[in-house]
Amino acid sequence: KAGVTQTPRYLIKTRGQQVTLSCSPISGHRSVSWYQQTPGQGLQFLFEYFSETQRNKGNFPGRFSGRQFSNSRSEMNVSTLELGDSALYLCASSLGTGAGANVLTFGAGSRLTVL
Amino acid sequence: AQSVTQPDIHITVSEGASLELRCNYSYGATPYLFWYVQSPGQGLQLLLKYFSGDTLVQGIKGFEAEFKRSQSSFNLRKPSVHWSDAAEYFCAVGTQGGKLIFGQGTELSVKP
Repeated sequence: KAGVTQTPRYLIKTRGQQVTLSCSPISGHRSVSWYQQTPGQGLQFLFEYFSETQRNKGNFPGRFSGRQFSNSRSEMNVSTLELGDSALYLCASSLGTGAGANVLTFGAGSRLTVL
Repeated sequence: AQSVTQPDIHITVSEGASLELRCNYSYGATPYLFWYVQSPGQGLQLLLKYFSGDTLVQGIKGFEAEFKRSQSSFNLRKPSVHWSDAAEYFCAVGTQGGKLIFGQGTELSVKP
């Protein structure tokens, strides 16, 4: 079956702009989590959505937001971009319940560069 | 506080040699533990996971890991490394739902 699909794969923005990233989970997976990966901070959890509700949230400012649709697809948005937002943004999906909630399948990521 | 430590930032091994990547965790409850691998420009691929039961778990690509509660460790091993194993390896502990706490990663280089 198809894996986790993230779009776009690469994008370049300038400071102050906003960006929206999209994630299509594996069919049947109800949970979508988002992670930011940078050389300095490593992999950091942004938030998780399950059945269209935010279930967990990491320690990121309110400029980072997300949502999940009824078909489990998810988007994350970053407003008022800063240079430090340059990163690989990874989306992961899981069944969302029981032990399966922790078994994440990752997409290839969206590489954001902020100039 | 929950945390994962991978003490080795970079390891170089010769092709055919054995490999052990170290991982220590700090977590109050019985942990769910994972190893992921990431090739350049790619996402993370799950190698193996430990939830409970047998403390030696087998994964894909010939990898295995051993959970040692007394040492709070979950080290990854492979008996014979192939050049295609060169990548970055991440240890993680599962917390709530889809939230994993990752270590900083260990970059593996393989010498021919």
